[in-house]
Amino acid sequence: TQLLEQSPQFLSIQEGENLTVYCNSSSVFSSLQWYRQEPGEGPVLLVTVVTGGEVKKLKRLTFQFGDARKDSSLHITAAQPGDTGLYLCAEPSGAQKLVFGQGTRLTINP
Amino acid sequence: DAGVIQSPRHEVTEMGQEVTLRCKPISGHDYLFWYRQTMMRGLELLIYFNNNVPIDDSGMPEDRFSAKMPNASFSTLKIQPSEPRDSAVYFCASSLRAGVQGEQFFGPGTRLTVL
Repeated sequence: TQLLEQSPQFLSIQEGENLTVYCNSSSVFSSLQWYRQEPGEGPVLLVTVVTGGEVKKLKRLTFQFGDARKDSSLHITAAQPGDTGLYLCAEPSGAQKLVFGQGTRLTINP
Repeated sequence: DAGVIQSPRHEVTEMGQEVTLRCKPISGHDYLFWYRQTMMRGLELLIYFNNNVPIDDSGMPEDRFSAKMPNASFSTLKIQPSEPRDSAVYFCASSLRAGVQGEQFFGPGTRLTVL
């Protein structure tokens, strides 16, 4: 059974600071997705990474896929209150299902 | 497009009562997924459908839970009888393709409280 570990579980920082959250697997990822879930809403896909060593940028968010494809990170530069939410990583389980990590709950204080 | 629609948004019921959650997927999406989210267990897949056919229900906790998809635009998740431990947020999601190749679009969720 695949096991996704996300760290930290909770993170609270001030507006303008930088942060990194992590997603690690007990086995090699075939690919990985990152989702953000805002309070009271469902998760929304941010990015999909497929190739080891891949780096993708989405405005102030930088996603990195480890060379060995066993870990991934999300770095946010100059965090803003709108970045507040639950960040989830997910990997495929079999052909059609996704397994989600427990998530990192991020709070950006004004 | 209106996105995935779920109803009700909030449900409070008493132990032993039947609960029915409803979902309308995005038109044209072939896959529909039901998830449950709690603080303790995170986001768990309960069951998913492909072209209205249940493909994998291994995540359904027990016989008290059942799901149907009578047509491409409607699905229900029923709990009978409900128990306090069923309290959670239930999400429906749909996608054009499955796995990581297909982005899953989530509804706003139904927050269920069983007293």
